[in-house]
Amino acid sequence: EDQVTQSPEALRLQEGESSSLNCSYTVSGLRGLFWYRQDPGKGPEFLFTLYSAGEEKEKERLKATLTKKESFLHITAPKPEDSATYLCAVQAIGQGAQKLVFGQGTRLTINP
Amino acid sequence: DADVTQTPRNRITKTGKRIMLECSQTKGHDRMYWYRQDPGLGLQLIYYSFDVKDINKGEISDGYSVSRQAQAKFSLSLESAIPNQTALYFCANRAGLNTEAFFGQGTRLTVV
Repeated sequence: EDQVTQSPEALRLQEGESSSLNCSYTVSGLRGLFWYRQDPGKGPEFLFTLYSAGEEKEKERLKATLTKKESFLHITAPKPEDSATYLCAVQAIGQGAQKLVFGQGTRLTINP
Repeated sequence: DADVTQTPRNRITKTGKRIMLECSQTKGHDRMYWYRQDPGLGLQLIYYSFDVKDINKGEISDGYSVSRQAQAKFSLSLESAIPNQTALYFCANRAGLNTEAFFGQGTRLTVV
């Protein structure tokens, strides 16, 4: 069964304090890994797609990386507006190919 | 304009009532999805559809049904609502298997 586990569940940082969020996954074969940002009361907003181990994507203060077993979302010098829940999802090859499997998310709070 | 529009945004209903949540999209994507989100559990797939004649059950379809009235419209029904169906419901669409999903703003449903 395809599984995604995100850690930590919640993370509180000071403005400017860099850190990383983890997404560990177990799939029969990975077609793609997706990162989303979700603000309270809103739908998830797409950030990145990673397709193969070693791939990296960047957007402003965020950088996503991928290995064969996990992905990291690195946040460099975060600002209060980066506060949100970050969701990771995987798209498998084969039987599970028709759906995205989501992790439970990491709730990130950046204090000014 | 929102690409994926959900109505209503909030709904309180009584146990045993039938309720319909509606979703429409302007992107012209064939693939549409309904997810449920509970605190700490991430997003769980209820139903998905790849075209008007194609409807598929997700992980948690019991107690739910769907209708794909047109390429742009995908409705979720709770035949007889129960309190543990209280959750945040999201509609999403995708252009293809390897592409990101676009989410609506969600419907907060409370069953009392």
